[in-house]
Amino acid sequence: DTEVTQTPKHLVMGMTNKKSLKCEQHMGHRAMYWYKQKAKKPPELMFVYSYEKLSINESVPSRFSPECPNSSLLNLHLHALQPEDSALYLCASSLTGSEQYFGPGTRLTVT
Amino acid sequence: AQTVTQSQPEMSVQEAETVTLSCTYDTSESDYYLFWYKQPPSRQMILVIRQEAYKQQNATENRFSVNFQKAAKSFSLKISDSQLGDAAMYFCAYILVGSARQLTFGSGTQLTVLP
Repeated sequence: DTEVTQTPKHLVMGMTNKKSLKCEQHMGHRAMYWYKQKAKKPPELMFVYSYEKLSINESVPSRFSPECPNSSLLNLHLHALQPEDSALYLCASSLTGSEQYFGPGTRLTVT
Repeated sequence: AQTVTQSQPEMSVQEAETVTLSCTYDTSESDYYLFWYKQPPSRQMILVIRQEAYKQQNATENRFSVNFQKAAKSFSLKISDSQLGDAAMYFCAYILVGSARQLTFGSGTQLTVLP
């Protein structure tokens, strides 16, 4: 089973809202990732968690706040977003640090 | 820094024909992996094929195969007997061996399959 699940599939939020994206995997992977993807562009890395500790933060604005409550779950808390933050947010996980398995993504629209 | 280049923004192929997507990369490292990912309109990023740099043998997965030229830093993807379901954006990607590393993606090639 190589499934990574993400909820919600779609999210529309105003610039003053607080919302969260959720990612889950039950493959025993110890590394989890958040990516942001704009249309027709490759994914851009935002955060990496390794063994539930934040190991990479690619200079992401503080309005994005990641959280890894346990080895299977990864959250991305959103607050005071801007319209340019509208994008597809992808979660991925990996076991050995080689191939990453991606979830279906959350399509976020900020109004 | 590692870079991945896909020089073909768009490609098209007739159904049942063969198409090759190009990818070159630049690295000073010797131990790494290369991947091809497929992203159809549904936007799910799907792993197509993986190649370990230390392996000389080219990876194959059913109708998908790669031509890995380590010295030339080239990693092309060949799709045989193309099907309508192969239509997607294809990304070439590189990662250093080690845990929780960053994937470096190319800019992508949009493949259209013509009936």
